[in-house]
Amino acid sequence: ILNVEQSPQSLHVQEGDSTNFTCSFPSSNFYALHWYRWETAKSPEALFVMTLNGDEKKKGRISATLNTKEGYSYLYIKGSQPEDSATYLCASLPAGNMLTFGGGTRLMVKP
Amino acid sequence: GAGVSQSPSNKVTEKGKDVELRCDPISGHTALYWYRQRLGQGLEFLIYFQGNSAPDKSGLPSDRFSAERTGESVSTLTIQRTQQEDSAVYLCASSLAAGTSPLHFGNGTRLTVT
Repeated sequence: ILNVEQSPQSLHVQEGDSTNFTCSFPSSNFYALHWYRWETAKSPEALFVMTLNGDEKKKGRISATLNTKEGYSYLYIKGSQPEDSATYLCASLPAGNMLTFGGGTRLMVKP
Repeated sequence: GAGVSQSPSNKVTEKGKDVELRCDPISGHTALYWYRQRLGQGLEFLIYFQGNSAPDKSGLPSDRFSAERTGESVSTLTIQRTQQEDSAVYLCASSLAAGTSPLHFGNGTRLTVT
């Protein structure tokens, strides 16, 4: 069983604040790292799939970086908005193994 | 186009009864996953299908759980002799190919075992 850890577990920020959170995963046999946003009463929605060490992906105000050698990825949200409130999930996929999700970071953005 | 469809959306059953959950993946998606989320916990992997290969059943919690998929179409997850600890949201997801393609999730089936 893989150990995919996300921190913090929850986060409260004010509208307009920029924030970031961490996903740690086993670095051996790395193949891919996924990020998802899961809003209440909806299904998880894909943000990024990352495969290359040093890769950086961006989607609007959200971006992510990847370090496969040390086994971590950061997700950044610039100028948080109330609609960014959701649980952010990362999932690690080592070669020949299955996609394992972390526990998520629950973000709450106050207007 | 149509997304991943799961049915029923909600299921309440008595302890000891069998239940069957259904997932219709996106057409053309070869990979199909079942996960569940119990209250206050993260997404727990159950089973994974890739094309016509033997499924990865390593996440199934007990022999009361089984799943089938016919080719690259519908999958059913069956739980026999349900227990209260089986209460959870069961999520199905499909993707074009395993690993580097994002998962597309259904809306889930909320199972409550009384």
